[in-house]
Amino acid sequence: QVQLVQSGAEVKNPGSSVKVSCQAPGGTFNTYAISWVRQAPGQGLEWMGGIIPISGTPKYAQKFQGRVTILADKSTSTAYMELSSLRSDDTAVYYCARAAYTYSADYWGQGTLVTVSS
Amino acid sequence: QAVVTQEPSLTVSPGGTVTLTCGSSTGAVTSGHFPYWYQHKPGQAPRTLIYDTTKKQSWTPARFSGSLLGGKAALTLSGAQPEDEADYHCLLFFSGVVVFGGGTKLTVL
Repeated sequence: QVQLVQSGAEVKNPGSSVKVSCQAPGGTFNTYAISWVRQAPGQGLEWMGGIIPISGTPKYAQKFQGRVTILADKSTSTAYMELSSLRSDDTAVYYCARAAYTYSADYWGQGTLVTVSS
Repeated sequence: QAVVTQEPSLTVSPGGTVTLTCGSSTGAVTSGHFPYWYQHKPGQAPRTLIYDTTKKQSWTPARFSGSLLGGKAALTLSGAQPEDEADYHCLLFFSGVVVFGGGTKLTVL
């Protein structure tokens, strides 16, 4: 079973940034992309962006352009998602997922709760 | 950006059949949108049920099937079980990005 392990829950102040990590099994980065998806309370799933680690070029959803940065460290098979200028409506569970090169997720991390509150 | 639409909620009787659909604001959904379907229960990570329109993961129960129906992607559940009560999300690919539908809350009652 493919297991992606994410970093723990975070509580952040409005206006700050959060960085969530996602450790993938060895070899994942050679043949798969990583997508980042979030779910705010009472809302549906929302794709934020993704990266194909062998190329290193990220792709972002229009809504998050300029506020999200997605990186992949091939040496540690770890992907990162950093979201800046946090607002209360960024409170959500953030998931990483292994994905096809279309960024469609197949195996998911356990999720990371990010709470934005003063 | 394209908008992907799903029924907000559906109800099915135990043992019954229900079809969930996934439409696109850009026109008919085709195999080129590589439709995915996910099952999501509270407190758990989403679980992939169907990928590339019709393909099943190894853990997908046989009672679930994917198809294209009337210009939309469709997920059909035949012989609903109580444990199938969950949110179901579809995902479509559009020229380099993917977009989720709003999700369907399925009640088995």
